[in-house]
This record gives sequence, C-alpha cells and structure tokens, in this order.
Amino acid sequence: DIQLTQSPSFLSASVGDRVTINCRASQGVRRYLAWFQQKPGKAPKLLVYAASTLQSGVPSRFSGSGSGTEFTLTISSLQPEDFGAYYCQQLNSYPLTFGGGTKVEIK
Amino acid sequence: EIQVVESGGGLVQPGGSLRLSCAASGFTFSDHYVDWVRQAPGKGLEWFGRSRDKAHSYTTEYAASVKGRFTISRDVSENSLYLQMSSLKTEDTAVYYCVRGFYSGADLYSGDYWGQGTLVTVSS
Repeated sequence: DIQLTQSPSFLSASVGDRVTINCRASQGVRRYLAWFQQKPGKAPKLLVYAASTLQSGVPSRFSGSGSGTEFTLTISSLQPEDFGAYYCQQLNSYPLTFGGGTKVEIK
Repeated sequence: EIQVVESGGGLVQPGGSLRLSCAASGFTFSDHYVDWVRQAPGKGLEWFGRSRDKAHSYTTEYAASVKGRFTISRDVSENSLYLQMSSLKTEDTAVYYCVRGFYSGADLYSGDYWGQGTLVTVSS
C-alpha cells in the first residue's frame, strides 16, 4: 500500500499568512493526487485534483504542486474561513489512501 | 442539482450486519464510479471500497480491512448504491460517506460530490 505522510500535522497561522502543507508518498503516484478540506462535522470538500488542477468554485488562493512522491498545497493568503483539516489522497493504485491530515488553526 | 445521500446507519452489535444505502440524483449514475470512505470518531479518512461505472461493468474494489465482510452493489434503476456490511467489528465504528468519482480527460478522480455521511456504531 502507498503511504502518504503529511506535514505538519498541525499549524497555527494568522490571517494573510502564506501556508504550505506537504504530502509525501512512499511510492510514486505520478500526478494522481488530490487535496480535500474538511470542517468539523462536515463532509470533505475537494480543493485540488491531478496535483495542481483547482476544482471549480475553489478560491484562487489555493494551489497545488508536485508530482511523483512530493506534493504541496499552498494557501497564498490565509482567510478566517480556511480553518479545518486538510487531507491529501492518492488515486494512482489500490487501495486508495489518504494522508493523516493537517489541522489548520487561525491565530 | 447533484446530490448523494446516505442512509441506514445506526447501532449494531459486534458480529452483526447492516446495510447502507446511497441515493444519487442530478447526474447519470451509471456513468460514474462511486467510492465509500469512512471516518472513525476523531480520526482521519479511510477509503475502503469502489464501484466502477457501467463501462467497467460495475466491478468493485475493496480495502483489505473490509474485504470479505463488506459488499458493494448497485441498483441502477433506483440510482442507488448499497453497502452490505457483515461480521462488524468495533473498529468499523465510523461515519460512512458515499463519494462520486469523475473523469478529467481520461483520468479518474474522486470526491467532487460527497454525501452528508451516516454514522455506524458497533458496540455491545
């Protein structure tokens, strides 16, 4: 199984900060990687797929990059509504797997 | 409007069975893969099952954690997906989500639409 390791597991940042979340795969997943945001008590929301394609309706302050084993989700200017947990998911091979998550707190 | 809605969760004893339903609307159900993802209380997301689309004969995939205990099926006439769970364990306690797959060109991705989730609690 492909393991996805996210870092950091928790981050606290101020409104307007640039925030970066990393996702490392134990094996190459080409560009078959997606990012989700989840708020407490809600279903996850797709932010980015194909490593860097922004899902329709997602603000442009979110961006994804990477390929192979190293991926990054960047929030260019953190907004109050961006709190929550962020997960990466690989769709290159079965079983599909998620990273352990990064919890983002607004200072 | 595209919707996926899960139902059927509840309290079940260890070793018991339960069937979840996922009702889809607003899109051509047979043209889409559908995944099941669960989330144990306070934990992360776990993918555990997939139903492929009509073009791939609705075949299925399972994670090792549920293989042989869980079965995914479709009723295309009802635009519904079912998850039959048996030999349930306490570690199956989670919110269960039904998740739509989608194509980007020839590549398959997942997660553009999620249901609200249904809670399954396995406890004596």
